[in-house]
Amino acid sequence: KQEVTQIPAALSVPEGENLVLNCSFTDSAIYNLQWFRQDPGKGLTSLLLIQSSQREQTSGRLNASLDKSSGRSTLYIAASQPGDSATYLCAALSGGGADGLTFGKGTHLIIQP
Amino acid sequence: DTAVSQTPKYLVTQMGNDKSIKCEQNLGHDTMYWYKQDSKKFLKIMFSYNNKELIINETVPNRFSPKSPDKAHLNLHINSLELGDSAVYFCASSPAGGWSYEQYFGPGTRLTVT
Repeated sequence: KQEVTQIPAALSVPEGENLVLNCSFTDSAIYNLQWFRQDPGKGLTSLLLIQSSQREQTSGRLNASLDKSSGRSTLYIAASQPGDSATYLCAALSGGGADGLTFGKGTHLIIQP
Repeated sequence: DTAVSQTPKYLVTQMGNDKSIKCEQNLGHDTMYWYKQDSKKFLKIMFSYNNKELIINETVPNRFSPKSPDKAHLNLHINSLELGDSAVYFCASSPAGGWSYEQYFGPGTRLTVT
């Protein structure tokens, strides 16, 4: 059974810093890994999707990497801004794809102005 | 244009009642899902469904049942509501099979059982 862990659970950094959020998963037989952002009281916004055959994906200031063999993914945020404050969730699609995503518990990120 | 929509956004009801949450996607996707986010903000899959197959997470009580009138809709029916059912319920969809595609989430329905 897939388990996804995110470290740290919470992070507070000054504006402008580069930062890394970590995600690990126990079953390396994944189809893909998806990073989401969730603002308080809101739904999930998809940030990046990395297919199992890919090593990384980039979108603007965000870069996500995937190392299946070690069961790890990282989300790198460059030049952080207060608007980046949110909870970041990683989720792995594994087993039968129809089993749905297995989510980590998220990293609550605060960017201090 | 809303890709995945849910109604209602908020639902407050008493224990023992039966309620439904509606989900619609206008993306032409073939696979739809229901997820539950508990009070600790942990998201877990409840169901996945396409035209051919319903996959039920084994931990979901049989008081919960998905109903799909057509490919664009997957509604969630909950019978005999309990206090522990209070949570935020998210609907999601993805293209056929979903194995390699993004899942798109709705805005969520906050269910409060009193």
